[in-house]
Amino acid sequence: SQQGEEDPQALSIQEGENATMNCSYKTSINNLQWYRQNSGRGLVHLILIRSNEREKHSGRLRVTLDTSKKSSSLLITASRAADTASYFCATDLQYGNKLVFGAGTILRVKS
Amino acid sequence: EADIYQTPRYLVIGTGKKITLECSQTMGHDKMYWYQQDPGMELHLIHYSYGVNSTEKGDLSSESTVSRIRTEHFPLTLESARPSHTSQYLCASSEGEGGYTFGSGTRLTVV
Repeated sequence: SQQGEEDPQALSIQEGENATMNCSYKTSINNLQWYRQNSGRGLVHLILIRSNEREKHSGRLRVTLDTSKKSSSLLITASRAADTASYFCATDLQYGNKLVFGAGTILRVKS
Repeated sequence: EADIYQTPRYLVIGTGKKITLECSQTMGHDKMYWYQQDPGMELHLIHYSYGVNSTEKGDLSSESTVSRIRTEHFPLTLESARPSHTSQYLCASSEGEGGYTFGSGTRLTVV
């Protein structure tokens, strides 16, 4: 990948469990964003965290950012079958003014 | 997803044909982007525009061209389609440092 790598590549959990996805990147960023993509569709923006922020919440989503380790994590609590999708992190590079996407994590939530 | 429109949704064409993928947004965003995505893979930026009459090539080499004559419209053209162009093409727009809004994508198959 050019910039970001997600881990794991795929994750399968039971409904009600928490799902954690990780993202690592290589160069300095302005912000990091997480997106969801349902099969064969466009991406939906979930949450944005700026380089000077460490943690952010939105509903059942919690995102952390560690710029010293160049890594981020997305936690989805109390997962639902409808959360089944691919999740991508994207970095807004400090020198570049455009988003660079990782390869994504495929999340499957079993009911 | 409702504010940025891509047509057609699916397209199957023969080798050598010229095609234009349409993308329109109603949000008045200055910045627009085209990404190419193979199934289950990361997104690759192929073109972007920061405003009318401004277009740039992205990180992935592409034989396509784009134009930006109006703020709301950012079409992508392939002069002579080849099987290697088979992929999903995603259009997006953004304003400031906010997240991107994506269209539903055009799935192109060249036979």
